[in-house]
Amino acid sequence: GENVEQHPSTLSVQEGDSAVIKCTYSDSASNYFPWYKQELGKRPQLIIDIRSNVGEKKDQRIAVTLNKTAKHFSLHITETQPEDSAVYFCAANLPGYSTLTFGKGTMLLVSP
Amino acid sequence: DGGITQSPKYLFRKEGQNVTLSCEQNLNHDAMYWYRQDPGQGLRLIYYSQIVNDFQKGDIAEGYSVSREKKESFPLTVTSAQKNPTAFYLCASRPQGASTGELFFGEGSRLTVL
Repeated sequence: GENVEQHPSTLSVQEGDSAVIKCTYSDSASNYFPWYKQELGKRPQLIIDIRSNVGEKKDQRIAVTLNKTAKHFSLHITETQPEDSAVYFCAANLPGYSTLTFGKGTMLLVSP
Repeated sequence: DGGITQSPKYLFRKEGQNVTLSCEQNLNHDAMYWYRQDPGQGLRLIYYSQIVNDFQKGDIAEGYSVSREKKESFPLTVTSAQKNPTAFYLCASRPQGASTGELFFGEGSRLTVL
């Protein structure tokens, strides 16, 4: 099966700095890579995703990059704000499977 | 207003008791999932169902049971056989056959064993 490693487990930045969270996956056949944000006490929500036929995707201050050769993908948040503080999960999906494999999460703390 | 509803939000249980967590969705999704969330452990899959009257074990199914008698409902029973049941439980759904696309989560149920 698929295995997803996520680093770092915690990340502290100052408001306005950039934050980068990295994930690696084990099965080169995986073709879908979403990122979820979970604010304290709330449900995880999809913030951005990327498919294997794309190398990069941006949505305002958030971007995701994918390196299929190295089997890793990263979440980039620019100009961080206190409301970006949350736990972020990466995930990978094998084609034909309806289940996502999640990383263990990164707690991002943005200090004013 | 479409979405996934979990109940109860908080639940306390004595050791040795079974407890059932409810999950209902009105998104017309075929696939439904139960995840367990513990600090530092991420989201671990307990059970999932892709169609009514069928379900499969996930990575940590021991001590849990599910049923899928209706498309809209996927209750999870935490049995007395589950050695460490105190956790946050999340239900989710996704359209059938989707290996891409958003997984929609409920608000979660926090179970505490006293």
